[in-house]
Amino acid sequence: RKEVEQDPGPFNVPEGATVAFNCTYSNSASQSFFWYRQDCRKEPKLLMSVYSSGNEDGRFTAQLNRASQYISLLIRDSKLSDSATYLCAVNSESSNYKLTFGKGTLLTVNP
Amino acid sequence: GAVVSQHPSWVICKSGTSVKIECRSLDFQATTMFWYRQFPKQSLMLMATSNEGSKATYEQGVEKDKFLINHASLTLSTLTVTSAHPEDSSFYICSAREPGGKAGYTFGSGTRLTVV
Repeated sequence: RKEVEQDPGPFNVPEGATVAFNCTYSNSASQSFFWYRQDCRKEPKLLMSVYSSGNEDGRFTAQLNRASQYISLLIRDSKLSDSATYLCAVNSESSNYKLTFGKGTLLTVNP
Repeated sequence: GAVVSQHPSWVICKSGTSVKIECRSLDFQATTMFWYRQFPKQSLMLMATSNEGSKATYEQGVEKDKFLINHASLTLSTLTVTSAHPEDSSFYICSAREPGGKAGYTFGSGTRLTVV
């Protein structure tokens, strides 16, 4: 089983749609959780850290379910500029804090 | 905020030659840096963890003699792809973890390697 599994996508949605991404992780000792955004041929950029209580940043909401070992990202009122690949990532102290990524989900927001 | 500078941005080299990629943390000390490789339409795969002053830790399946990592100072880690082959063509990205930093991990801008 892969350490981090992510919805394969791709997702094609119209502007204004709400879209959700999900990831599951296999290591129950995972400590920190992140969502990154990666544009074509660029490095990933941190979108949000994911906290146990869930957190929101504008149109973006991240959730963590430790019992079921999954994290999610919800994008509301999607914009054309949200088109990118979204990657979840987890780390743990036991693995020397190495960051393990999901495969990524490509989102295309259409006008 | 934390910045990691990676050079070169892109490089084209002939088969059999070696290529060195540098990664510098500009405004913080990075005791640990991570090197990733990303093939087209694939995710970032961790190749190795680079520790300042000690040997790198390689992930399973990554040849340590082919991908030489040196982390001689708290701000510089290098990855050398030795005897490059076309199948080594990929996007290589470094990342540094800033302990206690809000950003957590800071990524370099990546190096696109093409071996011809």
